[in-house]
Amino acid sequence: ELKVEQNPLFLSMQEGKNYTIYCNYSTTSDRLYWYRQDPGKSLESLFVLLSNGAVKQEGRLMASLDTKARLSTLHITAAVHDLSATYFCALDMDSNYQLIWGAGTKLIIKP
Amino acid sequence: DGGITQSPKYLFRKEGQNVTLSCEQNLNHDAMYWYRQDPGQGLRLIYYSQIVNDFQKGDIAEGYSVSREKKESFPLTVTSAQKNPTAFYLCATTNLGIGAGTQYFGPGTRLTVL
Repeated sequence: ELKVEQNPLFLSMQEGKNYTIYCNYSTTSDRLYWYRQDPGKSLESLFVLLSNGAVKQEGRLMASLDTKARLSTLHITAAVHDLSATYFCALDMDSNYQLIWGAGTKLIIKP
Repeated sequence: DGGITQSPKYLFRKEGQNVTLSCEQNLNHDAMYWYRQDPGQGLRLIYYSQIVNDFQKGDIAEGYSVSREKKESFPLTVTSAQKNPTAFYLCATTNLGIGAGTQYFGPGTRLTVL
C-alpha cells in the first residue's frame, strides 16, 4: 500500500528554536512536494524536490530529499510565530500527476 | 488576474439536496482536481481530470459527480447520496508534461449540511 507518513503530527515550540518535520514514504518516487496551510485557508506550495539529494531553502525553511531512504525533511531554523501553520508533504505517484498526501503536521510556535 | 476561483466560499445544504461547487481557472492548466478535507485531517482525492470530457474517480468518489466540458471549468456536484458531506472542498490545477507537477489550489468552499 502506498503510504506517506509525517511525524510529528503536532508540534508546539518556542520562538527561536530549531526543529525538523519528517516525511517518510513507502514507494520510489523522485518528486516530493511541501505545502503550507494556514487555519481556515487553502494550501500554498512551498517546495518541489525533484531528485535525490535535492535541497531547497526559503527564509527559515529548508527542505531536503533522500530518495534512497525514502525520506524528506522540512527543517525550521529559529522559528518565528508567523510560521505557525499545518505543513503537508505529498508524493508524486509515478509521475502521473496524482499526489499521495501525508496527514499534515500542525505547528504552533509560541511567542 | 490569473488564478483559480472557487464559489461559493460558504455553502449550506439541506438533507436530500444536490449542490454544485464551482471551480474555474485561467492558468491554462491541463489537469484539475477536487479534494475533500475534514477538520484536522489531510486531503482526500474525489475526482480528477487531465483533459476535457474525461475524468477519473479518486479515492472517495461515491456520492459525488463532476464534468469537464471546458478546460477552464471543473464543477463538482455533491449529491444526496453523499451521507456526510460537511467538509472543506478544495480545487487544484496543474500543468502536465516535463517539469510540471506542482498542484495549485483555489481558496476552497466550506460546505455545511443543516
